[in-house]
Amino acid sequence: DIQMTQSPSSVSASVGDRVTITCRASQGISSWLAWYQQKPGKAPKLLIYAASSLQSGVPSRFSGSGSGTDFTLTISSLQPEDFATYYCQQANSFPRTFGQGTRLEIK
Amino acid sequence: EVQLVESGGGLVQPGGSLRLSCAASGFTFSSYEMNWVRQAPGKGLEWVSYISSSGSTIYYADSVKGRFTISRDNAKNSLYLQMNSLRAEDTAVYYCARDKQLVSFDYWGQGTLVTVSS
Repeated sequence: DIQMTQSPSSVSASVGDRVTITCRASQGISSWLAWYQQKPGKAPKLLIYAASSLQSGVPSRFSGSGSGTDFTLTISSLQPEDFATYYCQQANSFPRTFGQGTRLEIK
Repeated sequence: EVQLVESGGGLVQPGGSLRLSCAASGFTFSSYEMNWVRQAPGKGLEWVSYISSSGSTIYYADSVKGRFTISRDNAKNSLYLQMNSLRAEDTAVYYCARDKQLVSFDYWGQGTLVTVSS
């Protein structure tokens, strides 16, 4: 199975900050990576697919990059509604696996 | 508008069974692969199972293989998860999620809570 490791596990930031979350795969997954945002008590929401493609309706302040084993999710200017938990997920092979999550908190 | 609505969760004793359903609307259900994903209380996301649009291809996580069975009824626009031999570690919110061309999960239901406890 492909292991997905996110860093950091949690981060504190302020509105307007630029934040980067990293996801590393235990083996190469080309660009088969997605990013999700989850708020407490809610279902996850797809932000980025195929490593860098923005899902329809997602604000352009969210961007993704990377290929192979190393990927990043960047939020260019944090908004109050962005404070949530973020997960990466590989779609290269089954079983599909998620990172452990990164909790983005208000500083 | 795409909608996925899960049902069937509840409290069940260890060793018991439960059948989850996911009613789909707002898209051509028979054209999409589907998945079940779960989340234990306070924990991260865990993919559980996948089924192709026709139902001919199925995958399971090792943690549920041999105990859970995914199925679908395209005529009823419905996805199912039959869960047998339930364990305490199966306690979670179970989400059905639409597959976006094998790349990601683009729509999720609101989830249904399964609690396995005596």
